[in-house]
This record gives sequence, structure tokens and C-alpha cells, in this order.
Amino acid sequence: GQNIDQPTEMTATEGAIVQINCTYQTSGFNGLFWYQQHAGEAPTFLSYNVLDGLEEKGRFSSFLSRSKGYSYLLLKELQMKDSASYLCAVRDNYGQNFVFGPGTRLSVLP
Amino acid sequence: GAGVSQSPSNKVTEKGKDVELRCDPISGHTALYWYRQRLGQGLEFLIYFQGNSAPDKSGLPSDRFSAERTGESVSTLTIQRTQQEDSAVYLCASSLAGKLAEQFFGPGTRLTVL
Repeated sequence: GQNIDQPTEMTATEGAIVQINCTYQTSGFNGLFWYQQHAGEAPTFLSYNVLDGLEEKGRFSSFLSRSKGYSYLLLKELQMKDSASYLCAVRDNYGQNFVFGPGTRLSVLP
Repeated sequence: GAGVSQSPSNKVTEKGKDVELRCDPISGHTALYWYRQRLGQGLEFLIYFQGNSAPDKSGLPSDRFSAERTGESVSTLTIQRTQQEDSAVYLCASSLAGKLAEQFFGPGTRLTVL
């Protein structure tokens, strides 16, 4: 079956660093994607990982370990505008379907 | 250039009525996806199109749901005999071909079934 797990909610302080974890069990793997979704808006793409390791993109970094079925999204120098849901998604074996996790709602406090 | 557009942005309908939701993908994007998102929940995959064929319809929740796509452009998602549990935001996304292609999402259609 397809299963992706993320923490439901997280809270962090402005200026801090937060790590959002994602574990997955899917029928195959063709990349792991992270999306940001502000309340009432559509998801927007943040990053993707295909190979093991860390991908850095400004304040955001994403890490992947395929052998462990594990990824995390690291957000540095948190800003209030980073308060949003963060969705982890895996593209399956046939490269057609994206399986999304339930999302992690991040609240950044002053 | 224009992003993915969806219409209507909001739809309120009575239980038992049929509704049709429209998605205009980004020009040149051959892949098109429909998702459903219930309030406070994650995205639920419904159907995927590559061109105008749908190799993966596994996510359609019942035979009341159907979708079609004309060429590599507009897609419509039709829900027949709507039920209250169909109330959700229906999101459309498009991407270029290729396994690593980023999906671009439309603003969604918020469907409310009374």
C-alpha cells in the first residue's frame, strides 16, 4: 500500500530553525517533493529529491534517505510568513501518481 | 505567462445535482492531475491525464465521478448525483512530461453540497 506520515502540527519561534519529518512506504519511488500550502490557497512547489542527500535552496533544505524511506524539510531563519502547511509527496513507481502526506501545519510565533 | 486556472472558484449545489468543474492547464503541459482536499486534510489523488488519456483512474472514489480531457488542454471533472461528502476543494495541477517535473496547482474549486 501507499503510506506517508508527517507530524500533524509543529510550532516554532521566529528566527529559529525547524525540521519537518516525512516517512514513506510506497509501491515505488521516483522522487520526493515538498510543497507549501498557506490556508485557503493552492500548494506551491518547494523542492524535490531523487538521490540521497541534502538539497539546499536558500532558507529551505530537503534531505532524503531512500533506504530508510525518510525525508525532512529544514527551514532556517523562520519568518512569520512561513506559517503554513507543508506537504510531503512521493511520485510512485510508474511515475504517474503523486501520493501526498497529510501535511504538517507549522505555526511560527513571534 | 498564465498559470493553471480553474472554474468556478466556488460552487454551491443541492444534494443529487450534477456539477462540472473545469481546469485550464499551463500551455504545453502534457500532464494534468485532479485532487480533492477536504477541510483540514491532505490531498487525495483522483485522476491523472497524460495528453488526453487517463492511465490512472484509481483515485476516483465512485462511479459518480468522471473526468475527460480534450487534447492537451482543458479538463473537466464531473460529479453526478452529488452527496454531502463530496464537499471539498477540488484542485487541478499540471506539469511538463517527465518524472521529475514540478506540478503547478490551480487555485481550486470549493464545492459545497447542501
